[in-house]
Amino acid sequence: SQTIHQWPATLVQPVGSPLSLECTVEGTSNPNLYWYRQAAGRGLQLLFYSVGIGQISSEVPQNLSASRPQDRQFILSSKKLLLSDSGFYLCAWRKADTQYFGPGTRLTVL
Amino acid sequence: GESVGLHLPTLSVQEGDNSIINCAYSNSASDYFIWYKQESGKGPQFIIDIRSNMDKRQGQRVTVLLNKTVKHLSLQIAATQPGDSAVYFCAERDGGTSYGKLTFGQGTILTVHP
Repeated sequence: SQTIHQWPATLVQPVGSPLSLECTVEGTSNPNLYWYRQAAGRGLQLLFYSVGIGQISSEVPQNLSASRPQDRQFILSSKKLLLSDSGFYLCAWRKADTQYFGPGTRLTVL
Repeated sequence: GESVGLHLPTLSVQEGDNSIINCAYSNSASDYFIWYKQESGKGPQFIIDIRSNMDKRQGQRVTVLLNKTVKHLSLQIAATQPGDSAVYFCAERDGGTSYGKLTFGQGTILTVHP
C-alpha cells in the first residue's frame, strides 16, 4: 500500500529565516506530487505540482519554491520567511484521478 | 483562488441523525468530484468520489449526489456519529488540465452532538 510522510509535523520559525519542508511517498513510482497551503478557516490553495523529477510548476507567485530531487521526494523551501507564510502545509500525491494527502506541517512564523 | 472569509458554514446534528452537506461549483468543465473529511490538525481524508457521467454514488454510510444542471454537489451521511465531526471539503477537477488540478470549496464544519 502507499503511504505519504511529511516532516516536521510542526515548526516555529522567525521572520527572515529559511524553510525546508519535506514530503516522501512510499509504495508507488513516478507519482504526481502537490504542495498545498491551508490558512486558518480556509480551503486549500495549490502552490506547486510536479509530474516528475526536476519538473516543478508553480500555481501562484510567492516567497516559496519547490524541488523534486528524487522520484518520491518533494521539498518546499524558502530563503526568507514572511509572517504571511504561516499556515498548514499539505503534500499530496495522485493515484488515478484522486489526490491523497499527507499529515501536514503546521508552520508558524513569528 | 483562495476562499475568502474565516467563517465556514456549519452544520450541527444529533447523533443518529442524517447529515447533508452541500457544495456549489462553478466550472462547467469539471468532470470529477471528491469529498474529503478533515479532522483538526490532520490532512484531508478521501471519503467518496463521483464522475460527471453519474448523478449518484453510494459508499458505506455516505452518498454523493451530483446535479450538473445547477452545478451542485451534496454529501449525505447516514446515522451520523460523533466521530464524523470534522470539516468537510468538496473538490472539483477541471477535465482540461493534464495534471489533475483540484479546486477546493471552503469547507463545512460538521458537529455531531451525542
